[in-house]
Amino acid sequence: RKEVEQDPGPFNVPEGATVAFNCTYSNSASQSFFWYRQDCRKEPKLLMSVYSSGNEDGRFTAQLNRASQYISLLIRDSKLSDSATYLCVVNRGSSYKLIFGSGTRLLVRP
Amino acid sequence: NAGVTQTPKFRVLKTGQSMTLLCAQDMNHEYMYWYRQDPGMGLRLIHYSVGEGTTAKGEVPDGYNVSKKKKQNFLLGLESAAPSQTSVYFCASSTTGPVANYGYTFGSGTRLTVV
Repeated sequence: RKEVEQDPGPFNVPEGATVAFNCTYSNSASQSFFWYRQDCRKEPKLLMSVYSSGNEDGRFTAQLNRASQYISLLIRDSKLSDSATYLCVVNRGSSYKLIFGSGTRLLVRP
Repeated sequence: NAGVTQTPKFRVLKTGQSMTLLCAQDMNHEYMYWYRQDPGMGLRLIHYSVGEGTTAKGEVPDGYNVSKKKKQNFLLGLESAAPSQTSVYFCASSTTGPVANYGYTFGSGTRLTVV
């Protein structure tokens, strides 16, 4: 079993749609959680951290469910510029090392 | 404000050749990492450094060596390149201690093809 698992997609949605991605992680000791965005042939960039109480940044909302060991990312009012691959990232146990999921690809169409 | 800089951006090697990938960061980060990214497999950690002169193996270290003589530079070496090392290589850096809320900062990557 992979340490971090994501649905690879692609999710193909129209502009303005709401889309949600889920991610599961296997290590119950993990403490740090992130969503990264990666554009085609570019480096991953931090989109947002995920806090225990859930957090929001504009159109993006992240949730953490420790009991079920999953993380979600909700994107409201999708824009064409949101088209990218979204990486779920979790630290390995209590260490500083991050484990990256394989990513979920989002395509937003006009 | 350069962040993390990787050189070269592209390279084609013949099987058996050697090369060194360079990574430099100007954020005074203590920790640096080398990853490779292959289709469908996500980012996999090759080697990492937790301070000047200190390195350790990641998930996929075979065929690679690293050097960290200065805090801001982290070198990844391929002694005898193989086609299986065709990949995109990313360098990243982070602050010390628990990862907390800051994650990693990545360089723009090196696309390596071994023929």
